[in-house]
Amino acid sequence: GQQVMQIPQYQHVQEGEDFTTYCNSSTTLSNIQWYKQRPGGHPVFLIQLVKSGEVKKQKRLTFQFGEAKKNSSLHITATQTTDVGTYFCAGQGVDYKLSFGAGTTVTVRA
Amino acid sequence: AAGVIQSPRHLIKEKRETATLKCYPIPRHDTVYWYQQGPGQDPQFLISFYEKMQSDKGSIPDRFSAQQFSDYHSELNMSSLELGDSALYFCASSPSSDTEAFFGQGTRLTVV
Repeated sequence: GQQVMQIPQYQHVQEGEDFTTYCNSSTTLSNIQWYKQRPGGHPVFLIQLVKSGEVKKQKRLTFQFGEAKKNSSLHITATQTTDVGTYFCAGQGVDYKLSFGAGTTVTVRA
Repeated sequence: AAGVIQSPRHLIKEKRETATLKCYPIPRHDTVYWYQQGPGQDPQFLISFYEKMQSDKGSIPDRFSAQQFSDYHSELNMSSLELGDSALYFCASSPSSDTEAFFGQGTRLTVV
């Protein structure tokens, strides 16, 4: 099955700044999903990308899926304190198993 | 809207004991996943079911087993518990195998 790598593991951001987290899969994916987990909470689905080169936006969040369907990124602009949490990418292969990356834990300095 | 229900929310067991975790997926969801999440770790895939049949298996120890019943609820059975089994166990359900997963609140298992 696929292995999903995610960097950076930690992201300390000044409020108002932008940052990006990156995800790479060892194999071509059917789709990639992004989840956010607040401290003490459970993963909450953010978005799914299916098509090669797809770009989707949710307010200040921009998600991209690479042309080869092996990598993805999440870019957050003008970070706010509500963005605190761990962002996981999860790749789904042809076997439908959902494999999570290690996550990027975001902290925000006010 | 109904969400994924997991019980119990917290469980404390001693080493070598047995634990059973329950999951009630969202109605009409045909896929159920089980994940284990250690402190500061990403969710590790254990096992999944599609229409009550096991569809995939991940890094699940032989001491663990799971099944999905006719009413679609699922149970994760864990025997000969070890200290290292202490973790958050999430169940997630999905309306189909290739769409987003909805996670339950998790069961925090502590083995002492």
